[in-house]
Amino acid sequence: AQKVTQTQTSISVMEKTTVTMDCVYETQDSSYFLFWYKQTASGEIVFLIRQDSYKKENATVGHYSLNFQKPKSSIGLIITATQIEDSAVYFCAMREASSGSWQLIFGSGTQLTVMP
Amino acid sequence: EAAVTQSPRNKVTVTGGNVTLSCRQTNSHNYMYWYRQDTGHGLRLIHYSYGAGNLQIGDVPDGYKATRTTQEDFFLLLELASPSQTSLYFCASSDSTANSDYTFGSGTRLLVI
Repeated sequence: AQKVTQTQTSISVMEKTTVTMDCVYETQDSSYFLFWYKQTASGEIVFLIRQDSYKKENATVGHYSLNFQKPKSSIGLIITATQIEDSAVYFCAMREASSGSWQLIFGSGTQLTVMP
Repeated sequence: EAAVTQSPRNKVTVTGGNVTLSCRQTNSHNYMYWYRQDTGHGLRLIHYSYGAGNLQIGDVPDGYKATRTTQEDFFLLLELASPSQTSLYFCASSDSTANSDYTFGSGTRLLVI
């Protein structure tokens, strides 16, 4: 069965530092896709970045990057040079390629607070 | 601009009441989803659809009905609302490819008193 686990409930960091948020997943599928989303204080949920399981290179978009460790079933989100506006809840999600529903399975989220 | 629009943004109803949450997408996506978000549970799938007239059951469907009337419109129905259905509801759409992400609506906050 698919499962996505985020064990860090909340993290606080100082502005302009680097933060890593952890996510582990469970799947029997050999091909899958991993996503990170950001939920702002207003409630809006936006897509940030994706990692395809068959790619060895870690995905990078702007100041977001991923640490994909396939043998550990782990996909960490790294935010460099954090800004106050990065304060939000971050969700990890997974979709198996064989999934006929295309549904994403979400973790429970990590609250990030960036302090000035 | 392609988007997912939910209405209403906030809703208060009494126990046993009827509630309809609306979602419209202009992304030309085949798939649409209804999730609820509760503290400690993240996002849980209620129902989803892959096209007009289609409905599939999600992980937490009890107490909910849904209907996809067109490619664009997906409705979530609570016919006998209960306090346990107090939650933040999100609609999302996606393309029918495995690597496609979701586009989320802004959410509907429902309070059942």
